[in-house]
Amino acid sequence: KAGVTQTPRYLIKTRGQQVTLSCSPISGHRSVSWYQQTPGQGLQFLFEYFSETQRNKGNFPGRFSGRQFSNSRSEMNVSTLELGDSALYLCASSSDGLGTEAFFGQGTRLTVV
Amino acid sequence: DAKTTQPPSMDCAEGRAANLPCNHSTISGNEYVYWYRQIHSQGPQYIIHGLKNNETNEMASLIITEDRKSSTLILPHATLRDTAVYYCIVRGYNFNKFYFGSGTKLNVKP
Repeated sequence: KAGVTQTPRYLIKTRGQQVTLSCSPISGHRSVSWYQQTPGQGLQFLFEYFSETQRNKGNFPGRFSGRQFSNSRSEMNVSTLELGDSALYLCASSSDGLGTEAFFGQGTRLTVV
Repeated sequence: DAKTTQPPSMDCAEGRAANLPCNHSTISGNEYVYWYRQIHSQGPQYIIHGLKNNETNEMASLIITEDRKSSTLILPHATLRDTAVYYCIVRGYNFNKFYFGSGTKLNVKP
């Protein structure tokens, strides 16, 4: 069965622009969570969506937003990009319930110049 | 979610068992212990998880102490491809929300 797919794999944007990243979860998984990974801060939780609703949110500014569609695909958007937003953005797909596995995509590498 | 503590780095000889410790002394009753690894900034790869019993799969074994305050991930025959950062995570009611610590950088040497 297909894994978690993130597109695009690489992106270069200019400061002030906005960007949209996409994550297609494993078939049947309804939970998608997003993470930002930088050398200085490590892997940090952004937010989680379940059945089109944001269920958990990390400690990031409002410039970071997301949504989930009825087919469980999720997008995250970053507006007014800053140099510090350069990072690897990862999503994880999971079925619901305690004790289930979560599987990560390969990530989108965003560079802000 | 409970925090975890791991050594920053460990070395292991190729072909030997790699034993990676993790402390999670504040773990609560329904929280599971998960292990992931990340190679060269790829997406983290799921390895194994458990609640209280020891677990084994094709990749590794997970040994959880009786009081559940610590665990050990065992890679029975480490290869060079097992060189990675290994993350021990406690996950509970927040489902698909992981708090990653700094992990352990495992260096497998020939």
